[in-house]
Amino acid sequence: DAKTTQPNSMESNEEEPVHLPCNHSTISGTDYIHWYRQLPSQGPEYVIHGLTSNVNNRMASLAIAEDRKSSTLILHRATLRDAAVYYCIPLTGNQFYFGTGTSLTVIP
Amino acid sequence: KAGVTQTPRYLIKTRGQQVTLSCSPISGHRSVSWYQQTPGQGLQFLFEYFSETQRNKGNFPGRFSGRQFSNSRSEMNVSTLELGDSALYLCASSLRLPDKITGELFFGEGSRLTVL
Repeated sequence: DAKTTQPNSMESNEEEPVHLPCNHSTISGTDYIHWYRQLPSQGPEYVIHGLTSNVNNRMASLAIAEDRKSSTLILHRATLRDAAVYYCIPLTGNQFYFGTGTSLTVIP
Repeated sequence: KAGVTQTPRYLIKTRGQQVTLSCSPISGHRSVSWYQQTPGQGLQFLFEYFSETQRNKGNFPGRFSGRQFSNSRSEMNVSTLELGDSALYLCASSLRLPDKITGELFFGEGSRLTVL
C-alpha cells in the first residue's frame, strides 16, 4: 500500500485560503488520490479525488504534482465548518488506507 | 436518497460477549466496507464486501467477521470481545465494478461500541 505523509495539524484564519499538503512518494501510476475529511463526531466525507490533472469541485481544489509524488488540497476560503481532520489517500488495490490525517483548526 | 444507515448507534458489552453490527448501504451501492476507529490507531480498514463475497481484508484477527446479504446490506460480528475492541465502527458504501471501486465512499455515522 502506498504510504502517505501529512502534517499532524495546521491552522488557518477564517476566510483565508488553506493549502493542505500530502506526500505519497510510493504511489503507483494508476492509483487515484482521494481526499476525505472527518468533522467532529461524524463519519468521514468525500472531498475530492484525481489522477494526474488538477481537479476542482464545489468544496475544494486538488493540485497534483507532475511526478504524482505529492498533492495539495486547497480550500479557497476557510470557514469554521471546515475545521476537521483531512485524510489524503491513494486508492491502492481497492483499499482506502486513511492514515492519521491533518487536523485543521480554523481561527475566527 | 437515503444515506448509509448503521445500527445500533451505541452499545455496551462486557468482555467475552459477542456483538453484531448492521449496515444498510445507499440504494444501488453494492460494495460495503467496514472500518474501526480508535483514538490511538485512527481509522483502520477491516474488510470489504461486494456481491456477497469478501473482496478485501485488513489486518484484524479472526474474531472480526462479516457478511453481506443479497440486498447488499452487511453485518459485522466481533466474538469474544476484548477491552481493546472499544471503538467507533464505521461502514461505508460505494459503487463498484467486479475489479475495482469506481466511486467515492459514503460513510454512515458509525456504531460506538464500549466493552467493559
